[in-house]
Amino acid sequence: SQQGEEDPQALSIQEGENATMNCSYKTSINNLQWYRQNSGRGLVHLILIRSNEREKHSGRLRVTLDTSKKSSSLLITASRAADTASYFCATDATGNQFYFGTGTSLTVIP
Amino acid sequence: EPEVTQTPSHQVTQMGQEVILRCVPISNHLYFYWYRQILGQKVEFLVSFYNNEISEKSEIFDDQFSVERPDGSNFTLKIRSTKLEDSAMYFCASSETGVPYQPQHFGDGTRLSIL
Repeated sequence: SQQGEEDPQALSIQEGENATMNCSYKTSINNLQWYRQNSGRGLVHLILIRSNEREKHSGRLRVTLDTSKKSSSLLITASRAADTASYFCATDATGNQFYFGTGTSLTVIP
Repeated sequence: EPEVTQTPSHQVTQMGQEVILRCVPISNHLYFYWYRQILGQKVEFLVSFYNNEISEKSEIFDDQFSVERPDGSNFTLKIRSTKLEDSAMYFCASSETGVPYQPQHFGDGTRLSIL
């Protein structure tokens, strides 16, 4: 299966701390994307990293990709209460399919 | 900012009944998708649609499911004879071009409850 798996399943931190989530996948990919899902809402795209990229930044987000280990990490720096959400990685291999992982539930305590 | 809209937000249907979930993708997008998320589980791909035909579909998307773009704006998912296990959140998404290198924009979903 192509599906990604996030780790940890749940993470609870204090506001201002950094949060790191990991994603592992099984087959070769074209790109890997991270999405956020607030409770009861749809997924919001955060960042896309291509298979030939190793690191990408967007605001307080930093994503790394290690294709040799088939893994990616999402770092949220200086977390805020509003960052509380579930975070999913999504991978594609070929065609127009996306495979989402199981998600990391992040709670940022004010 | 343009967004994907889905209606209804919550649909309650008797088992065995047909249900149609509606989506209005972002207007200049060409690729459309349906996903489902059973409560507490991962988001699962159902189908992708481009140029008025299905591009890909998953094993979940069996003969009970169909998709249609009946006009220039709507994109619908029909479940012909609903089962209890069809209860889930159904998300529509669209993207400007195909999946590689392009983010997908998601609606807020339709919660489908089968009684």
